[in-house]
Amino acid sequence: EPEVTQTPSHQVTQMGQEVILRCVPISNHLYFYWYRQILGQKVEFLVSFYNNEISEKSEIFDDQFSVERPDGSNFTLKIRSTKLEDSAMYFCASRVDGEKLFFGSGTQLSVL
Amino acid sequence: QQPVQSPQAVILREGEDAVINCSSSKALYSVHWYRQKHGEAPVFLMILLKGGEQKGHEKISASFNEKKQQSSLYLTASQLSYSGTYFCGTAPMTGTASKLTFGTGTRLQVTL
Repeated sequence: EPEVTQTPSHQVTQMGQEVILRCVPISNHLYFYWYRQILGQKVEFLVSFYNNEISEKSEIFDDQFSVERPDGSNFTLKIRSTKLEDSAMYFCASRVDGEKLFFGSGTQLSVL
Repeated sequence: QQPVQSPQAVILREGEDAVINCSSSKALYSVHWYRQKHGEAPVFLMILLKGGEQKGHEKISASFNEKKQQSSLYLTASQLSYSGTYFCGTAPMTGTASKLTFGTGTRLQVTL
């Protein structure tokens, strides 16, 4: 089965630093998402992206966050100035239409 | 507004049955069910579209009551491999590829 690929699997950063989380969605998928999960808690929606623009974002997705699809294959999430509370597992997901979401294996972000 | 899942946790002996419920306050287009093992990405189980259908494969099935905006996941003759956290994800009527909003999760542990 095709896979969503995320890199890195783990990222450790200092508070205030910028991080970029990378994702390669499945090639024929049209809708892209970022979710995050704080340890032991539910999976929270951050942002959805379609047709090269953000289609929806949550309250969590403030001005410190941005997404890009720079080259038609990669899909990135940037956090400009990380905070301690940004520590979480970040999942990228993609899908063709209203069918199932394919999740990547996640990037564990630790902000110290 | 996130869907509400019940129970929060359940412990079963191998071979026993379980029902996990998911309830939303909003009109739904679809309900998705995912299972997540510790430290891994959520894995798709099934999707139910409006229309009150019931779906299933092997010993895991689900129903969707559109009028009540509720879905239930049925696990019969549970196996050790069923252990994990089960999340329902709901999509509103606004669009077929809208974000999924995930419930708080139900931790299922199957023991010998």
